[in-house]
Amino acid sequence: SAVISQKPSRDICQRGTSLTIQCQVDSQVTMMFWYRQQPGQSLTLIATANQGSEATYESGFVIDKFPISRPNLTFSTLTVSNMSPEDSSIYLCSVETWLANEQFFGPGTRLTVL
Amino acid sequence: SQKIEQNSEALNIQEGKTATLTCNYTNYSPAYLQWYRQDPGRGPVFLLLIRENEKEKRKERLKVTFDTTLKQSLFHITASQPADSATYLCAHNNAGNMLTFGGGTRLMVKP
Repeated sequence: SAVISQKPSRDICQRGTSLTIQCQVDSQVTMMFWYRQQPGQSLTLIATANQGSEATYESGFVIDKFPISRPNLTFSTLTVSNMSPEDSSIYLCSVETWLANEQFFGPGTRLTVL
Repeated sequence: SQKIEQNSEALNIQEGKTATLTCNYTNYSPAYLQWYRQDPGRGPVFLLLIRENEKEKRKERLKVTFDTTLKQSLFHITASQPADSATYLCAHNNAGNMLTFGGGTRLMVKP
């Protein structure tokens, strides 16, 4: 298994600003993902964070809006840029380990944009 | 494109009964399906994975089935307890091990 922490756990931000969310894993992992969960909805994959290279984004998500870094095998950041109230959501980091297909999720970052 | 569908209505059952949740997919059979539990304000927690060539998998009070003919997976919790109350998510894998999640079904177990 993997233990994942996210910072911040929650934040309230003003429209037009940016927020960077950190994801730290307690062991090296192969895959790291970022998801969004809007209120009352299920999870939607934003992108796969690739170590040492550009992230792979899903349809509807772009690098300018959601820049992602993954400098090593245990850490990644997601930035929500130029925020609007529609970005209010829970952002979750998940990882897949070397051995299993299951994913482990962080506790999430609850973002509110005013 | 592949869709994962779960009953969006909450399932209310009495403690001690068996809860059965349904997950349907629309097109091709995924290599495997996964079930997660999510409590309010928390990230999903992995419960079970069942592969395409497996018909059934069990873990303690949990049982998952995979019927490729019906394009369906059933998730059972036997002897349900109030602590089992949560939202249960079904997910299937895409290329690159990315997951597509269903909308989730909220389970309420009443004492």
